[in-house]
Amino acid sequence: DVKVTQSSRYLVKRTGEKVFLECVQDMDHENMFWYRQDPGLGLRLIYFSYDVKMKEKGDIPEGYSVSREKKERFSLILESASTNQTSMYLCASSTDPGGETQYFGPGTRLLVL
Amino acid sequence: GESVGLHLPTLSVQEGDNSIINCAYSNSASDYFIWYKQESGKGPQFIIDIRSNMDKRQGQRVTVLLNKTVKHLSLQIAATQPGDSAVYFCAENGAGANNLFFGTGTRLTVIP
Repeated sequence: DVKVTQSSRYLVKRTGEKVFLECVQDMDHENMFWYRQDPGLGLRLIYFSYDVKMKEKGDIPEGYSVSREKKERFSLILESASTNQTSMYLCASSTDPGGETQYFGPGTRLLVL
Repeated sequence: GESVGLHLPTLSVQEGDNSIINCAYSNSASDYFIWYKQESGKGPQFIIDIRSNMDKRQGQRVTVLLNKTVKHLSLQIAATQPGDSAVYFCAENGAGANNLFFGTGTRLTVIP
């Protein structure tokens, strides 16, 4: 079975802090994704990556950056956390090519005070 | 942008009955569709997928129907069980990219 893990299930940070969310997948997937999930808005794509050291902006990249130094690890960075970044963050991975099926991690619920 | 919507935000069914969750999509170029189940406090879990060259696909207790004419997707769950209570999302791949575009979800509640 595909396993996608996220470093934290719950996280509380203060406004202005730098926040790192880590995601690791164990299936040698090329593609990795970061979403945020908010009530009534569904899943919105923040960033994705098709290969090591490669990144593409999703629909809502502002206030975020990512890092993919190794194939299995995709990090989401909040350079200066703000209260409107309080959300559930979901990481996913998929194979390539044509591997549209994305497998999700358990999510990190981030609260920014 | 893409638009993937659901007809009903909530659905309550009696245990043992069949459930039908509907989804409308807007991009006629989408050729891949997928249903996810998300239980409280967990990430979305893959249920079943279907490509646009098919109009029906069956899994274990689940069936996905695709009507390309009206751009409609449905998930049928047979003999619904309490463990089926969750939020269900449909997603489409837009213009064939490896990205997925998600609907906002339908909350299914199974009444014992």
